[in-house]
Amino acid sequence: SQELEQSPQSLIVQEGKNLTINCTSSKTLYGLYWYKQKYGEGLIFLMMLQKGGEEKSHEKITAKLDEKKQQSSLHITASQPSHAGIYLCGAPDYSGTYKYIFGTGTRLKVLA
Amino acid sequence: GAGVSQSPSNKVTEKGKDVELRCDPISGHTALYWYRQSLGQGLEFLIYFQGNSAPDKSGLPSDRFSAERTGGSVSTLTIQRTQQEDSAVYLCASSSQTGTTEAFFGQGTRLTVV
Repeated sequence: SQELEQSPQSLIVQEGKNLTINCTSSKTLYGLYWYKQKYGEGLIFLMMLQKGGEEKSHEKITAKLDEKKQQSSLHITASQPSHAGIYLCGAPDYSGTYKYIFGTGTRLKVLA
Repeated sequence: GAGVSQSPSNKVTEKGKDVELRCDPISGHTALYWYRQSLGQGLEFLIYFQGNSAPDKSGLPSDRFSAERTGGSVSTLTIQRTQQEDSAVYLCASSSQTGTTEAFFGQGTRLTVV
C-alpha cells in the first residue's frame, strides 16, 4: 500500500524565518493535500495539488508537487506564531479503495 | 450543514463500557471516513463509506469496533467493551468525490477510557 513520509518530524524556528516541510510518497501521487492541525482540533484544509510541477500559494504558504509526482514541499515565508501547529500531507490511496492516507505530520513551533 | 459535525466533543468512559461516536457530514458528500489519532501519532484509517457501496472496514483494529452510516448521511462509530488503548481522538471526514477533492474534517471526539 502507499505510504507518505514527512520530514522533518518537528521544527522550531524563530519568528520571521522561512521553513520547508517535505512529504515523500512511496508511489506516484494522483493528488496531494496539505492540512494544518492545532493541538486537540480537527484538520484544516490548506491546499490541493494534482499536476506535476504544480505550485499553489495562500498568504505566506506555498506548496509544490514535483514533476515526477512523488514528492511535495510546503514552504512558509516569514513565519509567524500563528503558523504553529502540525502540518500533515494526505493523498488518496489508489491501491485499494480510495481512502485517504496521511503522513505522520510535522510539528512546527514558532518562537516569538 | 456548514461543516462536518462530531459529537460528543469529549467522552470519558469506564473500561468495559460501550461508546457511540456520531458524525454528521457535509450535506451532499457521498464519502465519509473515520480516523483515529493517538497522542503524538499520525492518523490511523478506520473505515470508509462511499455512497451505497460496501464500506471499507480494513482499518478497524478489532471486532469491538463497528460503524454504520444510515441513509447515506449520519454515521455512528461504536466501540464495545472499551479498553484503555482505545483512548484517542476520533476524527470524521467527508468529501464530495473520492480521491479527487479534499476531505473536510470535523473537530473530533476525544475519548478517554479510565
